Amino acid sequence: DAKTTQPNSMESNEEEPVHLPCNHSTISGTDYIHWYRQLPSQGPEYVIHGLTSNVNNRMASLAIAEDRKSSTLILHRATLRDAAVYYCILRDDMNRDDKIIFGKGTRLHILP
Amino acid sequence: SAVISQKPSRDICQRGTSLTIQCQVDSQVTMMFWYRQQPGQSLTLIATANQGSEATYESGFVIDKFPISRPNLTFSTLTVSNMSPEDSSIYLCSVESGYEQYFGPGTRLTVT
Repeated sequence: DAKTTQPNSMESNEEEPVHLPCNHSTISGTDYIHWYRQLPSQGPEYVIHGLTSNVNNRMASLAIAEDRKSSTLILHRATLRDAAVYYCILRDDMNRDDKIIFGKGTRLHILP
Repeated sequence: SAVISQKPSRDICQRGTSLTIQCQVDSQVTMMFWYRQQPGQSLTLIATANQGSEATYESGFVIDKFPISRPNLTFSTLTVSNMSPEDSSIYLCSVESGYEQYFGPGTRLTVT
């Protein structure tokens, strides 16, 4: 399993954009970048994933560096409900034996 | 998508006893996963359970301690055997659907 590095915690003001970084310098060519988040007292939930191109969905955007050694999850307008632990995970989606393995993640605090 | 329920939601057990956790999914899925989340920690994968075959355990987890059943495509159980206080954790069931994994709400286990 390739490793990712994330800051332990971040803080942001409500209604402002949030950029959550993730470094994955040892990423392989077949690894997809997945983001999950875990709200307090809940199981994790899928946020977004991508391979090479930037991705957008209703929850967030994923910006992937050209060399794929880093990525950034972007929450365009944070709300208090976005306070959670965000996990950046690499997985070879073409390999059924590769699993979703969680690192420590980034704990995001939203200030009202 | 997939909706997952777990029973019990929480339990307090005495050391030396065993607890069986049930996981029910609202659709048929091939792969089910069991994770553990110790207090204040990230999630750790215990094992993968495919219907019709033996569960595959991750390093540090053994079948005698965490026997798993997978009788059909919508149900699985995880037993925590001969419990000790170190087994106090949240146990989460997860399924894969497409590129996403969905997680149950977890079972909070306290061993006294």
